[in-house]
Amino acid sequence: DAGVTQSPTHLIKTRGQQVTLRCSPKSGHDTVSWYQQALGQGPQFIFQYYEEEERQRGNFPDRFSGHQFPNYSSELNVNALLLGDSALYLCASSSHREEAFFGQGTRLTVV
Amino acid sequence: AQSVTQLDSQVPVFEEAPVELRCNYSSSVSVYLFWYVQYPNQGLQLLLKYLSGSTLVKGINGFEAEFNKSQTSFHLRKPSVHISDTAEYFCAVGGNKLVFGAGTILRVKS
Repeated sequence: DAGVTQSPTHLIKTRGQQVTLRCSPKSGHDTVSWYQQALGQGPQFIFQYYEEEERQRGNFPDRFSGHQFPNYSSELNVNALLLGDSALYLCASSSHREEAFFGQGTRLTVV
Repeated sequence: AQSVTQLDSQVPVFEEAPVELRCNYSSSVSVYLFWYVQYPNQGLQLLLKYLSGSTLVKGINGFEAEFNKSQTSFHLRKPSVHISDTAEYFCAVGGNKLVFGAGTILRVKS
């Protein structure tokens, strides 16, 4: 079992651009959550997807959007990138039987 | 609303010494508590969790934590640390949605 896999591992974008990050959940998990971890801080919850719907959302602007596919994989999209969006983006998958498992993250740098 | 306060941003300790990383939480609903470890440039790995039952929870790598409802605390302990325990540790509260503390960097010195 490969666990939770995220791609890409690193990414550099320019202010104003758009970015898409991808996540494949652990086998048997049907719920995907996304977190933003700024440098020197704890992860902050962005949103969660279950049954292809956004189930919960944290305090993030509408520039942050997501999608879940029928195979439970997920994408995080960020539009109109700001310098402050530079962070490690973590994907976590879970199920009603098992707690959250995290991927290795995608390091996004906005220049 | 739920929140977590990790009382120490950094904890230096010598190898083979005991360590305690402190965590206080606030929650208006059922309390599920977690400790995660993060090595440099990596994701989060679950060390241990409290969902219900015994207040003393044992995890991986020799770590344990005690849930104290009256003090709203969930401190992490290890009786003897190794150099390889050097990492950042996060306390979290929640179920589907996790609320994390700011983290504690554990620096183990030889």
